[in-house]
Amino acid sequence: ETGVTQSPTHLIKTRGQQVTLRCSSQSGHNTVSWYQQALGQGPQFIFQYYREEENGRGNFPPRFSGLQFPNYSSELNVNALELDDSALYLCASRPGTGGTDTQYFGPGTRLTVL
Amino acid sequence: QQQVKQSPQSLIVQKGGISIINCAYENTAFDYFPWYQQFPGKGPALLIAIRPDVSEKKEGRFTISFNKSAKQFSLHIMDSQPGDSATYFCAATRPSGSARQLTFGSGTQLTVLP
Repeated sequence: ETGVTQSPTHLIKTRGQQVTLRCSSQSGHNTVSWYQQALGQGPQFIFQYYREEENGRGNFPPRFSGLQFPNYSSELNVNALELDDSALYLCASRPGTGGTDTQYFGPGTRLTVL
Repeated sequence: QQQVKQSPQSLIVQKGGISIINCAYENTAFDYFPWYQQFPGKGPALLIAIRPDVSEKKEGRFTISFNKSAKQFSLHIMDSQPGDSATYFCAATRPSGSARQLTFGSGTQLTVLP
């Protein structure tokens, strides 16, 4: 177990709705990244947060946003859901911007958009 | 330049055999190459990782071979077991300011027959 937890496990939404996914990192891991994994594909980087600020972003539109809190928890928010947003959403944490580059993944949230 | 190409897409090996998965990259700024194992319904779990100043790294039955000049690296699973049946992803990462994003290959579905 990586010590990274995510909630909920599964979620069903309809097109146009908004969704919030949650992640709890290991204690001391002040860097968290979010990834989208479509069925049968590798995870795609959405963005990274370090000490509650976004410090890196992949090729995702602004309707994907996030928050990181001082208690090592974080959120991924997606507005105006589209059918193509159906995927497994993974968060990954690591101790900081220095030191180990290993990222530890949570089990993911399976989002289905109808 | 951000792509990591992985092959084969699927692999079937007999118990006790050697499983070999290959990856190639273009971006010479990549400086950390992890392999992840993912079971259905779970998040990716780190197996083994290597930096480009080393040509080989072995941990138990898992070995990474790294060819910096060819920009290729591979995972070898010795004495493959049915419990190794999973999807394997190679990945690469580089520093980007204070952020580090993982760029994943497309995955290899390994089946080890008993």
